Amino acid sequence: SQQGEEDPQALSIQEGENATMNCSYKTSINNLQWYRQNSGRGLVHLILIRSNEREKHSGRLRVTLDTSKKSSSLLITASRAADTASYFCATGNQFYFGTGTSLTVIP
Amino acid sequence: ETGVTQTPRHLVMGMTNKKSLKCEQHLGHNAMYWYKQSAKKPLELMFVYNFKEQTENNSVPSRFSPECPNSSHLFLHLHTLQPEDSALYLCASSQDLSRPEWENQPQHFGDGTRLSIL
Repeated sequence: SQQGEEDPQALSIQEGENATMNCSYKTSINNLQWYRQNSGRGLVHLILIRSNEREKHSGRLRVTLDTSKKSSSLLITASRAADTASYFCATGNQFYFGTGTSLTVIP
Repeated sequence: ETGVTQTPRHLVMGMTNKKSLKCEQHLGHNAMYWYKQSAKKPLELMFVYNFKEQTENNSVPSRFSPECPNSSHLFLHLHTLQPEDSALYLCASSQDLSRPEWENQPQHFGDGTRLSIL
């Protein structure tokens, strides 16, 4: 299966803390993408990391990729209440998503 | 505003009804997708269209019938649905799948239609 699997399923932190969520996958990939979904809304693309990259930054987001372990992590620094959402990884052709990590940031 | 509009946002229908979901994108994209999102389950790809031609049908039951009259519009016709079909149906679009870097193009999602089958 090309499907990415996010871990943990749910995460609750205080505002200002960092949030880390992980994605594992089973097949070789050309890239991995992270998306965010606010409650009742569609998914929004956050960041793409290619298979030859190890780390990528975008604002408060930091994504790492370890192709030897077939895993990726998404770090959100200095979290805000507005970061409360579900976060999904998508691998390869992006047709396959996991169940997501539900992040709650408590003000 | 994502550039992808889905209507209606909510739909309640009986198992014997016929209804249609509509998706329209204003991004100039040529690939469009239907996904099903059920609680506690991974997002499920249903159909993919590229330049109006269906390129993926992920073993979807025939009670779901897609239609793509042009690159900007995508429909999902529903008939004789089952209670387990209750879910959030998401439409997405991206630049065409024929480009060499198509895998790197992000998908743009609408806000979905929440479907409830009575």
